[in-house]
Amino acid sequence: DQQVKQNSPSLSVQEGRISILNCDYTNSMFDYFLWYKKYPAEGPTFLISISSIKDKNEDGRFTVFLNKSAKHLSLHIVPSQPGDSAVYFCAAPYNQFYFGTGTSLTVIP
Amino acid sequence: KAGVTQTPRYLIKTRGQQVTLSCSPISGHRSVSWYQQTPGQGLQFLFEYFSETQRNKGNFPGRFSGRQFSNSRSEMNVSTLELGDSALYLCASSLDGRAGAYNEQFFGPGTRLTVL
Repeated sequence: DQQVKQNSPSLSVQEGRISILNCDYTNSMFDYFLWYKKYPAEGPTFLISISSIKDKNEDGRFTVFLNKSAKHLSLHIVPSQPGDSAVYFCAAPYNQFYFGTGTSLTVIP
Repeated sequence: KAGVTQTPRYLIKTRGQQVTLSCSPISGHRSVSWYQQTPGQGLQFLFEYFSETQRNKGNFPGRFSGRQFSNSRSEMNVSTLELGDSALYLCASSLDGRAGAYNEQFFGPGTRLTVL
């Protein structure tokens, strides 16, 4: 039962443009979300988070938006850089951490 | 501060064998969680240990087991290996990992297990 879903397995974006990664969830009890970034041969590293009391959280080039009514969140990266090429996971902690299946982002120089 | 370490980094086994993976959390972290990552499945939660007790368990068969020692180091064991067990096994540590707690998890680099 995949309670956190990332329906786009991959995304390619030109350097300097915006990358938008999407995540949907099914459990209305989730009230906190995190994004992790993973490079090959490394473990995921925390990127940004958002609480359900907010609909937006920004940290430099990274912004996460939360639409609770749609049970949807998105991660915006502006401007995208080649070093952003990685797999991105959204996650929701609720008794355990529920992770999405990941989106592989490729930023083309 | 040293990060989460996992040993070994790579492992090749054959079907029917068993394997033990090790994870050393960040100093002071008492919660250790294990995940299986396979293509298309994302990170699937295996179990979480806190103070030597399994506190949460995912939907994996009983062939997957674990334990945690008094120094918070954790081991994961898979018995009677199957081809489908080939995956990257990640462990993550957090301060206390309380259910619903909002602290981050810090991941190790993973152990790549290949079952032939």
